[in-house]
Amino acid sequence: RKEVEQDPGPFNVPEGATVAFNCTYSNSASQSFFWYRQDCRKEPKLLMSVYSSGNEDGRFTAQLNRASQYISLLIRDSKLSDSATYLCVVAQSGGGADGLTFGKGTHLIIQP
Amino acid sequence: DTAVSQTPKYLVTQMGNDKSIKCEQNLGHDTMYWYKQDSKKFLKIMFSYNNKELIINETVPNRFSPKSPDKAHLNLHINSLELGDSAVYFCASSQVKGGLPDTQYFGPGTRLTVL
Repeated sequence: RKEVEQDPGPFNVPEGATVAFNCTYSNSASQSFFWYRQDCRKEPKLLMSVYSSGNEDGRFTAQLNRASQYISLLIRDSKLSDSATYLCVVAQSGGGADGLTFGKGTHLIIQP
Repeated sequence: DTAVSQTPKYLVTQMGNDKSIKCEQNLGHDTMYWYKQDSKKFLKIMFSYNNKELIINETVPNRFSPKSPDKAHLNLHINSLELGDSAVYFCASSQVKGGLPDTQYFGPGTRLTVL
């Protein structure tokens, strides 16, 4: 049974469009949530944490729905440089290797 | 200044050999991790370690062993390398706040190829 699920894509989106993708998680004890971005042949980097009330950082908006156990990422006015793989990460208490679960990522391609 | 560094960047070796990958962080974090990213790009956590506790993902073969000489270093030693070990290995570090792992800071990765 998969713990964190994402649509792998690829999502092919024209530049300037708005794109959204979701991530579902199965562990109801999950307590913190993140979106990471990974460029090709590079390491993952934190894009944003996801807070219960939802949060926005420039063109990026993250939402958390605890009842339905999913988080979402919305990208407005997409840029070519947004092309990357977006990883959903879910954490539960423990702090260690058993406390973090990564999704397989959603591949986003912004087309000119 | 590199926050999390790992060496080597590329490692090509024969099946059956033993190899090590080194990792260092200068962020003052108390927890370090090793991840494996396979050819399908699935990122899987292998270990976490702080100065008190090593937590091992139960699916990791015991040929893999982390070694931490001090708080800023967590090296990965792999015995008897197999073809299926070919992957990119990422080191990471983070603080743990309220029992929850915080932002993961990743190293640049080590691309291991086993022939």
